[in-house]
Amino acid sequence: DQQVKQNSPSLSVQEGRISILNCDYTNSMFDYFLWYKKYPAEGPTFLISISSIKDKNEDGRFTVFLNKSAKHLSLHIVPSQPGDSAVYFCAALTSGTYKYIFGTGTRLKVLA
Amino acid sequence: GAGVSQSPSNKVTEKGKDVELRCDPISGHTALYWYRQRLGQGLEFLIYFQGNSAPDKSGLPSDRFSAERTGGSVSTLTIQRTQQEDSAVYLCASSTRLAGGLRTQYFGPGTRLLVL
Repeated sequence: DQQVKQNSPSLSVQEGRISILNCDYTNSMFDYFLWYKKYPAEGPTFLISISSIKDKNEDGRFTVFLNKSAKHLSLHIVPSQPGDSAVYFCAALTSGTYKYIFGTGTRLKVLA
Repeated sequence: GAGVSQSPSNKVTEKGKDVELRCDPISGHTALYWYRQRLGQGLEFLIYFQGNSAPDKSGLPSDRFSAERTGGSVSTLTIQRTQQEDSAVYLCASSTRLAGGLRTQYFGPGTRLLVL
């Protein structure tokens, strides 16, 4: 039972344009969501998070949007840069618990 | 360094042998996680430690897998009688509380295990 889904395994975007990575979840108890970026041969690194009390959180070029009714979140990267090329994982958590549930990842390629 | 470290970075072993993977979390982080990532798949939760205790071992795939943590710091994941399906990247993460009581995780670089 995949509680967190990233249905696009890969995405290619031109440098300078917007990258939109999507994530869907099924468990309505999740109330905290995170995005991680992973380069080859490295561990994932935390990028940005959002609590369910918000519908948007912004940090520089990165913005995460949360649509609770649709159980959907997205990560927007504007403008995209070649250094953003990586695998992006979304993860979900129910506050007060410890078990993060990760999606399968989306490989982003930003073309120069 | 200040980050999570894991050793070895790569391990090739023969089927049936035992392997031990090590994780050094960030100093002061009380929570520690182990995950497995198979090729082309997401992160699979294995076990969580709070201090030296593991309240949830349900993610461990079989009784060939065990983990311990000592001194609230270093953790070892042991796989006995390795099988080819154990081949994966094993990731360790430690976490700290953010404002509001929520946490984020800091990952190590992983150990790439190949069972021949």
